[in-house]
Amino acid sequence: DGGITQSPKYLFRKEGQNVTLSCEQNLNHDAMYWYRQDPGQGLRLIYYSQIVNDFQKGDIAEGYSVSREKKESFPLTVTSAQKNPTAFYLCASSTSMGQGSSPLHFGNGTRLTVT
Amino acid sequence: AQTVTQSQPEMSVQEAETVTLSCTYDTSESNYYLFWYKQPPSRQMILVIRQEAYKQQNATENRFSVNFQKAAKSFSLKISDSQLGDTAMYFCAFMKYEGGSEKLVFGKGTKLTVNP
Repeated sequence: DGGITQSPKYLFRKEGQNVTLSCEQNLNHDAMYWYRQDPGQGLRLIYYSQIVNDFQKGDIAEGYSVSREKKESFPLTVTSAQKNPTAFYLCASSTSMGQGSSPLHFGNGTRLTVT
Repeated sequence: AQTVTQSQPEMSVQEAETVTLSCTYDTSESNYYLFWYKQPPSRQMILVIRQEAYKQQNATENRFSVNFQKAAKSFSLKISDSQLGDTAMYFCAFMKYEGGSEKLVFGKGTKLTVNP
């Protein structure tokens, strides 16, 4: 079955360490996204990518970095510069951008806890 | 700025009854897409329903329907014959276009509890 896989489901890190969250999709989607979810805040866009080797900052990109070397993969690195990294992170994908009728498909998320 | 507002942080409804979740948005665009997503306790985001702005007919998906009022920029979700499995966070979302890119902007969500 096609879908989006995020791993791991739970991740724990010490403050000051960088950590990378994995996101893989086999839906053949061109566009991929990273969202952060905090209680009472809804989902906020961190980074997004329309095609391989290209990505853009979202609304809260500071302290995060991404890469898009393969169509299927869009890993997110939470750096030590992110002041409040503890959150639930959701990865999503959709067919070619510019087609608003294409809904986002989401992974199951990664809960990151930094202490 | 394009924003999405969900004014009801929490709601509850009795099983088999009907409930309406409200959503307003702000945009200067003439054509756009609106979505309702459901997030049950498993935290998986599930698309419930979507509406294209140029279509005047309200979208319907089984027990879920919307009341789309374009002039008022309102996009409410009605759940009929509520079931226990409808208990979830519900997010209204607006698809916006910026610099040739397409992004989904979410409201803060409404927590719905269906009581037996």
